[in-house]
Amino acid sequence: GENVEQHPSTLSVQEGDSAVIKCTYSDSASNYFPWYKQELGKRPQLIIDIRSNVGEKKDQRIAVTLNKTAKHFSLHITETQPEDSAVYFCAASMQGAQKLVFGQGTRLTINP
Amino acid sequence: DSGVTQTPKHLITATGQRVTLRCSPRSGDLSVYWYQQSLDQGLQFLIQYYNGEERAKGNILERFSAQQFPDLHSELNLSSLELGDSALYFCASSVDGNRQETQYFGPGTRLLVL
Repeated sequence: GENVEQHPSTLSVQEGDSAVIKCTYSDSASNYFPWYKQELGKRPQLIIDIRSNVGEKKDQRIAVTLNKTAKHFSLHITETQPEDSAVYFCAASMQGAQKLVFGQGTRLTINP
Repeated sequence: DSGVTQTPKHLITATGQRVTLRCSPRSGDLSVYWYQQSLDQGLQFLIQYYNGEERAKGNILERFSAQQFPDLHSELNLSSLELGDSALYFCASSVDGNRQETQYFGPGTRLLVL
């Protein structure tokens, strides 16, 4: 079955700097890749997603890139702010299936 | 607020017991998903229902079962509980069950088995 690996497990950056989180997936049939942000004790919230027919997608300070050949995708957060501190999860799902397979999560800390 | 509701918020019970977790999807959503979040396993897909029918199954234990009712709310039943079942259980919903689309998560039920 599908497996998603996420790195790093923890990331600490200075406020205003950029943060990058990377994920790799195993099944080439995967074609939908959402990113979720989870604050402590709260529900996961979708922050951005990308489909396999697109190589990059941007929403203000957040961008996601996808390399289908290498089977990896990345989340980029620019001009980080303290409220960006949270755990971020990447996920993947395959054509014909809606279940999400999640990476292990990255705890992002923004230092003031 | 995602529009997905889950009850109860917290549940404390003993080993061997049975509990029922409830989820109401967003208005108009036909598909419901259950996920388990534990410290060592991360977010794991358990099961999906679409318009009352089971659509997909993940690594759901035989001691666990679920159903979706005609009003589209869903229940996850956990029986013969073990210490390792302690986790956050999330329900998510989406409009359809046939395409990849945004899944909106509920606030979760925190289960503690003592």
